[in-house]
Amino acid sequence: AQTVTQSQPEMSVQEAETVTLSCTYDTSESDYYLFWYKQPPSRQMILVIRQEAYKQQNATENRFSVNFQKAAKSFSLKISDSQLGDAAMYFCAYRLTNFGNEKLTFGTGTRLTIIP
Amino acid sequence: NAGVTQTPKFQVLKTGQSMTLQCAQDMNHEYMSWYRQDPGMGLRLIHYSVGAGITDQGEVPNGYNVSRSTTEDFPLRLLSAAPSQTSVYFCASRAMSVGANVLTFGAGSRLTVL
Repeated sequence: AQTVTQSQPEMSVQEAETVTLSCTYDTSESDYYLFWYKQPPSRQMILVIRQEAYKQQNATENRFSVNFQKAAKSFSLKISDSQLGDAAMYFCAYRLTNFGNEKLTFGTGTRLTIIP
Repeated sequence: NAGVTQTPKFQVLKTGQSMTLQCAQDMNHEYMSWYRQDPGMGLRLIHYSVGAGITDQGEVPNGYNVSRSTTEDFPLRLLSAAPSQTSVYFCASRAMSVGANVLTFGAGSRLTVL
């Protein structure tokens, strides 16, 4: 079974600084998707960034980027120029690409605090 | 465009009571799913559906029933609520075309079972 591990229950960063959230996963498959979701206090789950495993290039969305290391099964999220609105729970998630394997497996989350 | 709509947002039940959490989406998504979120455990899949008339179990299906009579609706039923079902529940949907790999989530429903 696939598992997703987020080893940092809590992180904090000074406003305008850079922070990296860690995620590792366990799978024997070669084709899959990886995601980072953000959950602010409103409870809404918001997609931050996604990565297809077959792509070697790391995904980037504005201030958010990932470091995808397929061999190491690592998928970390880097937030640059942290802003107060970035404060939230962040979840790493994994899903296979093939039809019929619809389960999205989540990690346990990292709570990110932004220090003004 | 409403996206995924969940009702109710909050509910308190007594042990043994039944209730239905409603989920509706207006994006014509084939795939719909229910997750529960508990502290320290992330989100866990309860049930999912890949189309009208088709449902399947996820990671934690016990105590929950689902049905999918239309593309738009995917209700989650608790037949006899237990305190262990106290949680926040999320409905999510996505299209199943190639490359459409992102789930759209509802706002969540907080359920407390006393």
